[in-house]
Amino acid sequence: GEDVEQSLFLSVREGDSSVINCTYTDSSSTYLYWYKQEPGAGLQLLTYIFSNMDMKQDQRLTVLLNKKDKHLSLRIADTQTGDSAIYFCAESLYSSASKIIFGSGTRLSIRP
Amino acid sequence: DTEVTQTPKHLVMGMTNKKSLKCEQHMGHRAMYWYKQKAKKPPELMFVYSYEKLSINESVPSRFSPECPNSSLLNLHLHALQPEDSALYLCASSSRPDSSYEQYFGPGTRLTVT
Repeated sequence: GEDVEQSLFLSVREGDSSVINCTYTDSSSTYLYWYKQEPGAGLQLLTYIFSNMDMKQDQRLTVLLNKKDKHLSLRIADTQTGDSAIYFCAESLYSSASKIIFGSGTRLSIRP
Repeated sequence: DTEVTQTPKHLVMGMTNKKSLKCEQHMGHRAMYWYKQKAKKPPELMFVYSYEKLSINESVPSRFSPECPNSSLLNLHLHALQPEDSALYLCASSSRPDSSYEQYFGPGTRLTVT
């Protein structure tokens, strides 16, 4: 079945690294995504990784994919107050490429 | 221009009203999507339009009626809604239906049904 799970909350100190974790159940994922949603706003695609990749880095963002354990993580280096938001892990499947399945979202809060 | 615009930003309507949500993109994308997001929940797919034709309807009640008048515009017509339909309605687009990795989202319309 299709299921994407994340922890609900994460609190980090400004300047530290944030690591947000996600697990998924369907092994036929094509792409895995990280979206950011600030309060009252739409979703912003931060980054995505194709299912045959292990790692993708984009400036302060590093995505790690462990296909064996069906585990995806997003590391944000040097976390800033502007990184406060809800982060959604998501996947799309070979069987339905148009459909994105979202996790429940992790609320990241930054403390000074 | 990588922007998806949605109007109105906020909408309050009674259960007997008829209203429409609008979405527009000028990126030449040929797939457009409607999502519903309840508070503190992830977005849920409602409809997908592929080359201006409805390709996916996720068993959405008929009080929600989508329309794609052309490749740049997507409407969601609302009629006889219930208070539980109050939510953030998000529109998205991608260049092709199978290019979900580049779905761009609009800012959403926050709908309140009284």
